[in-house]
Amino acid sequence: KAGVTQTPRYLIKTRGQQVTLSCSPISGHRSVSWYQQTPGQGLQFLFEYFSETQRNKGNFPGRFSGRQFSNSRSEMNVSTLELGDSALYLCASSPGGDNEQFFGPGTRLTVL
Amino acid sequence: GEDVEQSLFLSVREGDSSVINCTYTDSSSTYLYWYKQEPGAGLQLLTYIFSNMDMKQDQRLTVLLNKKDKHLSLRIADTQTGDSAIYFCAERIPGSARQLTFGSGTQLTVLP
Repeated sequence: KAGVTQTPRYLIKTRGQQVTLSCSPISGHRSVSWYQQTPGQGLQFLFEYFSETQRNKGNFPGRFSGRQFSNSRSEMNVSTLELGDSALYLCASSPGGDNEQFFGPGTRLTVL
Repeated sequence: GEDVEQSLFLSVREGDSSVINCTYTDSSSTYLYWYKQEPGAGLQLLTYIFSNMDMKQDQRLTVLLNKKDKHLSLRIADTQTGDSAIYFCAERIPGSARQLTFGSGTQLTVLP
């Protein structure tokens, strides 16, 4: 069974631009969560989607948004990029319920 | 509140056992997880324990949970150089969907 895939793996943007990251969960998994990882703040929860509905949201500004499609693939969007948005963005896939979560390799975003 | 703490560094000799410790503050946590992250990679799920268990063993890995002290540990037997990585513990709180709260990570260095 294929693992969690994230595209692109690396991205360079400039301040003020917007970016869209994509996550394809493990086949059959309906839950996708997004996390931001930075050296200063560590791993922080952004949001979770389950069956196309946002179930939970972390403490991030409204510039961070996401969505999930009927095939469970998810995208997250960051508008008006700031230097501090430079991070590794990880998505996690789960069947749902009380199950373990499996992470993708991440997208490394650099904002110049 | 939610806060997961880990020591930042641990060095061991190849062949020895490693013990990575974690404390958490939310006594209502349901699941507690251990993830491994190698340089430039995403998070690899190693093992997890449900909060009504005291111990879980999986090959070279042993997880111990002390609910009274809110202390979680991961023991790696016969540590190898390939075990060098950052190890994160994480907790899942009831009512937070599948949101995980992570510790800051422990950098394990295995010396030859």
